[in-house]
Amino acid sequence: QKEVEQDPGPLSVPEGAIVSLNCTYSNSAFQYFMWYRQYSRKGPELLMYTYSSGNKEDGRFTAQVDKSSKYISLFIRDSQPSDSATYLCAMSESGGYQKVTFGIGTKLQVIP
Amino acid sequence: DAGVTQSPTHLIKTRGQQVTLRCSPKSGHDTVSWYQQALGQGPQFIFQYYEEEERQRGNFPDRFSGHQFPNYSSELNVNALLLGDSALYLCASSFRDGGNSPLHFGNGTRLTVT
Repeated sequence: QKEVEQDPGPLSVPEGAIVSLNCTYSNSAFQYFMWYRQYSRKGPELLMYTYSSGNKEDGRFTAQVDKSSKYISLFIRDSQPSDSATYLCAMSESGGYQKVTFGIGTKLQVIP
Repeated sequence: DAGVTQSPTHLIKTRGQQVTLRCSPKSGHDTVSWYQQALGQGPQFIFQYYEEEERQRGNFPDRFSGHQFPNYSSELNVNALLLGDSALYLCASSFRDGGNSPLHFGNGTRLTVT
């Protein structure tokens, strides 16, 4: 079993839809949770960074963390064609030197 | 404010050769991590450098080695290249403030081994 599980998709939605992306994990020591967006032939770009359980909102993006269920989500409201990319969930343990563990990434296509 | 920069952007090598990849961290960052991203996969942690020392290492063989310089820039060296080493190599920088600083990535070096 992988430490971080993520459905690779692809996920195809119409423009304006609400997108829900999620990951599950097995390591209960994870305390920092991230979502990255990666366009083709580019490096990952940090979207959201949260600590422990709870919600965080930034514009059209909302990140949710449920540590009791070992489940994290990213919601994208009013999706745009420019949101078409691969979304990577990532997580790390607290303190010390930081090894980040990534999911496989979900490929999202927003159709105009 | 310059972000993380990596060079070269693309590289083609032959099996058995050696390669060196370079990274300059984001301004203000002092920690550099290297990741390998195979096609269709998430990035895999190779190692992390802080204060010019390797601090943590992932599940990669000794053929993978690195260095960090006093100006915080870093190199990744891979010896005796295998076909399976073909991947996107990503450098990420952060500020070591107790492990709370998120990673900022460069656009990577795409290595092809033939």
